[in-house]
Amino acid sequence: NAGVMQNPRHLVRRRGQEARLRCSPMKGHSHVYWYRQLPEEGLKFMVYLQKENIIDESGMPKERFSAEFPKEGPSILRIQQVVRGDSAAYFCASSPPPSGDTQYFGPGTRLTVL
Amino acid sequence: SQQGEEDPQALSIQEGENATMNCSYKTSINNLQWYRQNSGRGLVHLILIRSNEREKHSGRLRVTLDTSKKSSSLLITASRAADTASYFCATDPNSGGYQKVTFGTGTKLQVIP
Repeated sequence: NAGVMQNPRHLVRRRGQEARLRCSPMKGHSHVYWYRQLPEEGLKFMVYLQKENIIDESGMPKERFSAEFPKEGPSILRIQQVVRGDSAAYFCASSPPPSGDTQYFGPGTRLTVL
Repeated sequence: SQQGEEDPQALSIQEGENATMNCSYKTSINNLQWYRQNSGRGLVHLILIRSNEREKHSGRLRVTLDTSKKSSSLLITASRAADTASYFCATDPNSGGYQKVTFGTGTKLQVIP
């Protein structure tokens, strides 16, 4: 029973490029959450998705960031035209339906923007 | 501002000693959770305490919750070097019907062998 999988674990992009971060939830989990963690800080909520639906994107920057969780395949967090300030660790968590108490976290993707 | 605030920000103890970390929050909650994060790694869920519970144990961990003071504490007894990590509290506010947790900034615990 694999845990939450994220890939890549490390991603380096130059300013202006696109970053795509993938998250495969635990088997049977239909709720996915994305968080961003800046160095020496706690995790900040970005977006909550269920299959094919964005439920809450109140933590997402208004521009350049988007997320999806298609019927088939992993959840994708997409950052267009990355800037140095996007450098952070991005964590995905999943929970079972209907909305489980415990979120299970993936190992994170560390994005570095040069 | 952050819902959860851990105190102290950093703590250094000798192996075998107990470590106590505190968390304060602002709004009413459904539950409060503690997570551990080893350096450069993801979060590991430690324990969840619901708003109607006052104390909970799990192995060497003891969590208390005081909803009147909007605070929680995490006690790690007989600490080990492997307990060295950052510890975060996360609160699930009474809203939305789903778990939108908010994390504090964490307590960095160093256990010296």
